[in-house]
Amino acid sequence: GAVVSQHPSRVICKSGTSVKIECRSLDFQATTMFWYRQFPKQSLMLMATSNEGSKATYEQGVEKDKFLINHASLTLSTLTVTSAHPEDSSFYICSASGGHTDTQYFGPGTRLTVL
Amino acid sequence: AQKITQTQPGMFVQEKEAVTLDCTYDTSDQSYGLFWYKQPSSGEMIFLIYQGSYDEQNATEGRYSLNFQKARKSANLVISASQLGDSAMYFCAMRPLNRDDKIIFGKGTRLHILP
Repeated sequence: GAVVSQHPSRVICKSGTSVKIECRSLDFQATTMFWYRQFPKQSLMLMATSNEGSKATYEQGVEKDKFLINHASLTLSTLTVTSAHPEDSSFYICSASGGHTDTQYFGPGTRLTVL
Repeated sequence: AQKITQTQPGMFVQEKEAVTLDCTYDTSDQSYGLFWYKQPSSGEMIFLIYQGSYDEQNATEGRYSLNFQKARKSANLVISASQLGDSAMYFCAMRPLNRDDKIIFGKGTRLHILP
């Protein structure tokens, strides 16, 4: 299957700082990437859809100024959590769609802890 | 509105037995794709199997097979000869194929394989 990497896998930061998470499709070009947030023991919650070369589409209730998404190339999308607060602590996971069935392949996730 | 329902929040199965994870869906789309993902404790989402709504045969991938019953709108995952490493959270998902829309996930089923 297609491989999606995500970096970092784990980050701990102080409240008020910004954190950037990278998502890369390693062996295929992804015109669309997705960013999810997952709370413990819950399903994935879509935050935004990222299209290469255009602005991201955010889901209702997701602050676009807080969660900045940039899809600079067909293989890279970044999520920046700006001015992080403890309530932003969560598991963030990206995916990239590819293939004729547009199957979404997920990165390994990033666990963010804001102190 | 589209919806995925997984009625089993948790299951315990003896090693080497077969297990069926239930998934029903609701959609008004004629063309859609159904997906199953596995999420072990590490957090990564692993794509397991895909079934297209127009595929006449049930999808199979190694020990995984999808019991697709279109009239009943069910897409159960069958794991044959379960192994300890199958212990994980399993998510059923769906997205339309002929229009640009997001994938939706069920709430998941936590599978425990007992030695």
